[in-house]
Amino acid sequence: GAVVSQHPSWVICKSGTSVKIECRSLDFQATTMFWYRQFPKQSLMLMATSNEGSKATYEQGVEKDKFLINHASLTLSTLTVTSAHPEDSSFYICSATKPPHSYNEQFFGPGTRLTVL
Amino acid sequence: KNQVEQSPQSLIILEGKNCTLQCNYTVSPFSNLRWYKQDTGRGPVSLTIMTFSENTKSNGRYTATLDADTKQSSLHITASQLSDSASYICVVSARNTDKLIFGTGTRLQVFP
Repeated sequence: GAVVSQHPSWVICKSGTSVKIECRSLDFQATTMFWYRQFPKQSLMLMATSNEGSKATYEQGVEKDKFLINHASLTLSTLTVTSAHPEDSSFYICSATKPPHSYNEQFFGPGTRLTVL
Repeated sequence: KNQVEQSPQSLIILEGKNCTLQCNYTVSPFSNLRWYKQDTGRGPVSLTIMTFSENTKSNGRYTATLDADTKQSSLHITASQLSDSASYICVVSARNTDKLIFGTGTRLQVFP
């Protein structure tokens, strides 16, 4: 199998606080994990790519100081939204690749709904 | 520019009917194309993956086709069920990169 989990599944926080979202590969070691953001009725937008033990690569327009990504092990990556604001409210989805990389397939987590009040 | 376009944007059908969703892409060099089903508030789940040499692949009631010459793909759903209500996303991968190019999706609603 290739199961990816996320925690929490939803979170509500006050503006100005920080929120941490975890992404775990449950039954495989993920060499690469991806973080996406999805706004209502839109498709997934890649935020960053992270490899275990190295700094994440952020997409253009994504603030690395605001969206902190840590990929400390082959089964866990975390996304921390620092000083969250209402415009950060979105659906955050992670994915992971499972070696060997047949077709570059990514296995997606169930997503985390973030609401910033 | 690498792009993936899907049509229609939304679709309503009655339970038991068939439907076909379309995907056009301009991704080069092409590696593979996949269709995902995304239920509301959930992550995408893979339905099919096709490489350049494959022109059809089935997964239960889902059948995907690929025409690499015209850069078009379709997803055909047979005998639709209420549980088929979801967004269907066409995703294309280019060679030599681990990034995926996502279509905007087709929102399918199946009514009894």
